Amino acid sequence: DGGITQSPKYLFRKEGQNVTLSCEQNLNHDAMYWYRQDPGQGLRLIYYSQIVNDFQKGDIAEGYSVSREKKESFPLTVTSAQKNPTAFYLCASSISGGSRETQYFGPGTRLLVL
Amino acid sequence: DQQVKQNSPSLSVQEGRISILNCDYTNSMFDYFLWYKKYPAEGPTFLISISSIKDKNEDGRFTVFLNKSAKHLSLHIVPSQPGDSAVYFCAVSGNTPLVFGKGTRLSVIA
Repeated sequence: DGGITQSPKYLFRKEGQNVTLSCEQNLNHDAMYWYRQDPGQGLRLIYYSQIVNDFQKGDIAEGYSVSREKKESFPLTVTSAQKNPTAFYLCASSISGGSRETQYFGPGTRLLVL
Repeated sequence: DQQVKQNSPSLSVQEGRISILNCDYTNSMFDYFLWYKKYPAEGPTFLISISSIKDKNEDGRFTVFLNKSAKHLSLHIVPSQPGDSAVYFCAVSGNTPLVFGKGTRLSVIA
């Protein structure tokens, strides 16, 4: 059964701590994305990757980092430089990252600051 | 500056009636348009899409209309059902990754 999984569902971060959110897909998609959703806001793009070992910054990349060592995996690290990390984080994938593509989303991770 | 605007934060419709959700965009270079549905604490689910070569696309109860000259698209749901209650996002694409609107919360009242 193909899909996108994100873990954990909830994550707590202490001040000054880095945390990593997991995203895995078995859809054989080349492109993967990370979005952030805040209350009353749309989805804002953090980073995206169209191929292994390559990624590009989105609109709000400051305070975040990513890696793409495997096609199936695109972890997101929320660093201590991100001053307002509390949000709902969504991972998505698409076939190649080209235009006119539908993105498919995982279930999301809610990050809370202690 | 917002490239995609959903000007109605919320909409209430009676069960069985038509729901119409609207979306405006600013850049005429966008050529692919999508609607997603989202329940609380879940990821968005793809509903329906339309490319710029069409002005209408239908899938069951869902129809998307595109007016390129007005840079406007709309999603019609008929008949509306209580399970349609969710937040609906429009998204647009050109040569860049998808750009999302802020969403419209639809409440279908039984």
